[in-house]
Amino acid sequence: DAGVIQSPRHEVTEMGQEVTLRCKPISGHDYLFWYRQTMMRGLELLIYFNNNVPIDDSGMPEDRFSAKMPNASFSTLKIQPSEPRDSAVYFCASSLLISTGEQFFGPGTRLTVL
Amino acid sequence: AQTVTQSQPEMSVQEAETVTLSCTYDTSESDYYLFWYKQPPSRQMILVIRQEAYKQQNATENRFSVNFQKAAKSFSLKISDSQLGDAAMYFCALNSGNTPLVFGKGTRLSVIA
Repeated sequence: DAGVIQSPRHEVTEMGQEVTLRCKPISGHDYLFWYRQTMMRGLELLIYFNNNVPIDDSGMPEDRFSAKMPNASFSTLKIQPSEPRDSAVYFCASSLLISTGEQFFGPGTRLTVL
Repeated sequence: AQTVTQSQPEMSVQEAETVTLSCTYDTSESDYYLFWYKQPPSRQMILVIRQEAYKQQNATENRFSVNFQKAAKSFSLKISDSQLGDAAMYFCALNSGNTPLVFGKGTRLSVIA
């Protein structure tokens, strides 16, 4: 298996633009997680899905952020409109179960909003 | 609530020496899992080692081992024979109940040649 795939690896955009980050989880994994990593706040869980259904989105910072999982092999995280404070590394991770905790991470997308 | 605390923002170690990274946690669950993840400059998060709370024996993976003190809610990572490739951010994480991993703030480890 290729592992968790994220695209793009780097994204530079201007304030006010729409940004879409993409993730392909490991095949057969029922859980998908989106994290944001910054120096100030560390790793923050934004949202997670179970069998394509959002379970907890309490970490989504504001309405400008939205996430979808239309099928078991694809998820998107969208920011509209983007702001400079959204600059961070965004990780997608997947896992087979949630109770045993082990998550497999993608390489991350470094987002820079100018 | 579940919490994970890493009290050492930065650590350094001489190559070939041993270093221990600290982690304390809190959970009301009796069954849980603890993890150490490594994040090198490439930023890829890599699982280093995992410990099931019901196991008394400390987990080991080659040069990496843990000191799991359940009563004290402590889970430290020992790296023996440190190598330059061990330089990275190390995150302690807790999974308990049917909730996602909770991560600590991380410890940045430098390895001095």
